[in-house]
Amino acid sequence: DSGVTQTPKHLITATGQRVTLRCSPRSGDLSVYWYQQSLDQGLQFLIQYYNGEERAKGNILERFSAQQFPDLHSELNLSSLELGDSALYFCASSDRDRDQPQHFGDGTRLSIL
Amino acid sequence: SQQGEEDPQALSIQEGENATMNCSYKTSINNLQWYRQNSGRGLVHLILIRSNEREKHSGRLRVTLDTSKKSSSLLITASRAADTASYFCATGAGYSTLTFGKGTMLLVSP
Repeated sequence: DSGVTQTPKHLITATGQRVTLRCSPRSGDLSVYWYQQSLDQGLQFLIQYYNGEERAKGNILERFSAQQFPDLHSELNLSSLELGDSALYFCASSDRDRDQPQHFGDGTRLSIL
Repeated sequence: SQQGEEDPQALSIQEGENATMNCSYKTSINNLQWYRQNSGRGLVHLILIRSNEREKHSGRLRVTLDTSKKSSSLLITASRAADTASYFCATGAGYSTLTFGKGTMLLVSP
């Protein structure tokens, strides 16, 4: 058990909809990272927050946004969903903002019908 | 673009054999990390090696790093069926977050 909790485990929705994925980091970790994993693109870094502030941005679409709350949990919002957004979305956490081992949750599997 | 690239893409061995996976990268790094992913699960951190280290051990795992060749290898000795998973290398460069490769799928048959 990594200590990182992601909810929900599965999401099935339709194109054009909006969903929110939630992540609770490991106790004491200040950094939260979001990744998207698909068969064709592999593991893609989306965005990082450190102690409530955005720290780094990767291949995140404008339709996607995230935030980290004062209690350090994070949410990833995906809107105007397209079929190609179907993927596994992982959250990871680490105690510092870079060059540290990351601890991954078990992911949210998003299926767009 | 992906910083690390693992080789081979897939590896099939028998229990008890050693498994070696390689990772190449393109730019200077502060550290290189290896992760394991069981099917449908989150990645699990295995080992971190810093740029000033050449070799590191953890249980049945041995990692080497050659910064002059920009490459690393992960050796799993005496493989078990439970080692069946995908293995990823990730590079950290200090100024950015980790960059993951596409992974090596390891199948260990009983």
